[in-house]
Amino acid sequence: GQNIDQPTEMTATEGAIVQINCTYQTSGFNGLFWYQQHAGEAPTFLSYNVLDGLEEKGRFSSFLSRSKGYSYLLLKELQMKDSASYLCAVSPGNTGKLIFGQGTTLQVKP
Amino acid sequence: ETGVTQTPRHLVMGMTNKKSLKCEQHLGHNAMYWYKQSAKKPLELMFVYSLEERVENNSVPSRFSPECPNSSHLFLHLHTLQPEDSALYLCASSQDTYEQYFGPGTRLTVT
Repeated sequence: GQNIDQPTEMTATEGAIVQINCTYQTSGFNGLFWYQQHAGEAPTFLSYNVLDGLEEKGRFSSFLSRSKGYSYLLLKELQMKDSASYLCAVSPGNTGKLIFGQGTTLQVKP
Repeated sequence: ETGVTQTPRHLVMGMTNKKSLKCEQHLGHNAMYWYKQSAKKPLELMFVYSLEERVENNSVPSRFSPECPNSSHLFLHLHTLQPEDSALYLCASSQDTYEQYFGPGTRLTVT
């Protein structure tokens, strides 16, 4: 079957660094996406990994290891506005279909 | 963000009603999607349209009927829904299989 696992909740302090892990088991692999979703709002795209390694984009970085079925999202210099749910999603094929994890709710505290 | 719009934003309907959700994308994308988001559950793909043809139907009950008249518009026709269908329905679009851009969603309550 298809399975995406990520922690349900995390708490971190403003200015700190936090790493949100995601493990996956899917029938195929055509890329892994991270989305951010603030309460009551639509998900917004953060990053895309299809090859192994680290992709950096400002304060956010995403890492992929295809052999381990593992990814993480790294958030640096945390700000209060980073409090949100972070969704890990895998594309198992080339139809555009995405399989989402249940999301990690991150709370940033002062 | 006006790239993907959805109407209505909120909808309350009885189990015997028929209603439609509308999605419009202004990004020139060639693929559109319907998702269901329920509390405490992962975002769940319902349908995928690529170049106006349905390429994915994720075992969705027939009381949900999608329609894609052109690459910019997507509808979800609803009839004889159940209370467990109450959820946030999100539309998204993408160019090919790249990142998807989501609309604000329709909050549906079935009474």
